[in-house]
Amino acid sequence: SYELTQPLSVSVALGQTARITCGGQNIGRKNVHWYQQKPGQAPVLVIYRDSNRPSGIPERLSGSNSGNTATLTISRAQAGDEADYYCQVWDSSLWVFGGGTKVTVL
Amino acid sequence: QVQLQESGPGLVKPSETLSLTCTVSGGSISGYYWSWIRRPPGRGLEWIGYIYYSGSTTYNPSLMSRVTISLDTSRNQFSLKLSSVTAADTAIYFCARDWWDLGTDYGLDVWGQGTSVSVSS
Repeated sequence: SYELTQPLSVSVALGQTARITCGGQNIGRKNVHWYQQKPGQAPVLVIYRDSNRPSGIPERLSGSNSGNTATLTISRAQAGDEADYYCQVWDSSLWVFGGGTKVTVL
Repeated sequence: QVQLQESGPGLVKPSETLSLTCTVSGGSISGYYWSWIRRPPGRGLEWIGYIYYSGSTTYNPSLMSRVTISLDTSRNQFSLKLSSVTAADTAIYFCARDWWDLGTDYGLDVWGQGTSVSVSS
């Protein structure tokens, strides 16, 4: 089965840039979607198809995907960006999620 | 604006069947795939399975032997049944809408708020 690997945690200083990676075999050939989940809330789709933002998602969040790694970038990090972030792909007729990354804003 | 709301018992006894319903409001259940996802305490998201508005289903192989997802288009609802539950099935359960267009996946664009289910005697 397909596996997605994310770092358990990422820390970023207020106003700086955080990068969250999502590793998978030839993930660059797949559509990668990213979700943000804050405590007690449902996940929110923040990036779809590698680099597209749904309506209402700030431009500070961006995505890229190539080779064996997809990346979610949070620019000018704010306190409100503290959350768990998950990558997701469709593989072999299944949705697969990465293990999730906890982002802490210092 | 489409909204989803999960409902069902918050406590289930071991070996019994967990039953949840997701009610779709503000839009039709037709034309879409509808998923169930869960998040156990201290762990990440796990996709359980989905149902197409036609009634066809696909399940996560890790749960396939215990899962049934069904649809009631007249009530704009879809449901999850998970049999023979154990403490490992304790989780927050979410329903969500799959976003597909012309065979291309776009993720899960609408989610319910989630419902907490504990398995305990």
